[in-house]
Amino acid sequence: DAKTTQPNSMESNEEEPVHLPCNHSTISGTDYIHWYRQLPSQGPEYVIHGLTSNVNNRMASLAIAEDRKSSTLILHRATLRDAAVYYCILRELMNYGGSQGNLIFGKGTKLSVKP
Amino acid sequence: NAGVTQTPKFQVLKTGQSMTLQCAQDMNHEYMSWYRQDPGMGLRLIHYSVGAGITDQGEVPNGYNVSRSTTEDFPLRLLSAAPSQTSVYFCASSYVQDGNTIYFGEGSWLTVV
Repeated sequence: DAKTTQPNSMESNEEEPVHLPCNHSTISGTDYIHWYRQLPSQGPEYVIHGLTSNVNNRMASLAIAEDRKSSTLILHRATLRDAAVYYCILRELMNYGGSQGNLIFGKGTKLSVKP
Repeated sequence: NAGVTQTPKFQVLKTGQSMTLQCAQDMNHEYMSWYRQDPGMGLRLIHYSVGAGITDQGEVPNGYNVSRSTTEDFPLRLLSAAPSQTSVYFCASSYVQDGNTIYFGEGSWLTVV
C-alpha cells in the first residue's frame, strides 16, 4: 500500500506558483522523499528528492517539514507543460534481497494548468 | 547514452500466447524493475532486480517471469497472456546507492484479446 497521501487533483494558473502537498506520517528515518511526474502517455519523470533538508533544483523545490511527516513540492512558475500527475513517494533504504528500495506509487495528484 | 530502452512499444496478443518485453539500460545500473499501469491508476511493481543473477517479486508478480543474466538487460516474460494483463508496462533502472534517481523507459502498450 502507498505510504503517502496526496489530493486527487489541483488547479493552477499559468505563471503562478504551485504548492503540491504530501502527507507521510509513517515515514521512517531512512526513507527518502521522492517526487516524480507523469505526462500523458509517457513514463514517470524524476522531479526532486530529499531526506531531511529542503532541496532546490532547476525544476522545483522540495520543502520538508521538521518532523518529516509531510512535504510540499513547489513549482515556482507553472507552465502548460507542467500539467501532469505528480507522485509523492517514499523510497526505503536499499537492502539486497529484500523489498526495500522500490518506489511504491499511489494515485498521485493530477495538476491542471490554466492559461 | 540511450537511457532505458523498451521494446516493443505496442503489441497485441491473443489469450494464451507468450511473449517477452525487452528492457535495456546503458547506465551500468544495478537496480532494474518492471511496473504495470492500468488506466487511471498509479504504477504497480511486478518484479525487480538488484544485480545480475538476483531477482525478486514485487506487488503483482503472478503471470510474469524475469531473469537478469547481464547488468544491461532485464526482460519480462508473459507466460500465457490473459486479458487482465492488458496494461502499459514500464521498465526502470537506477544505482542502488541511497536515494538515487530512478529512470523510466517510455512504456510498452500491451493489449491481450
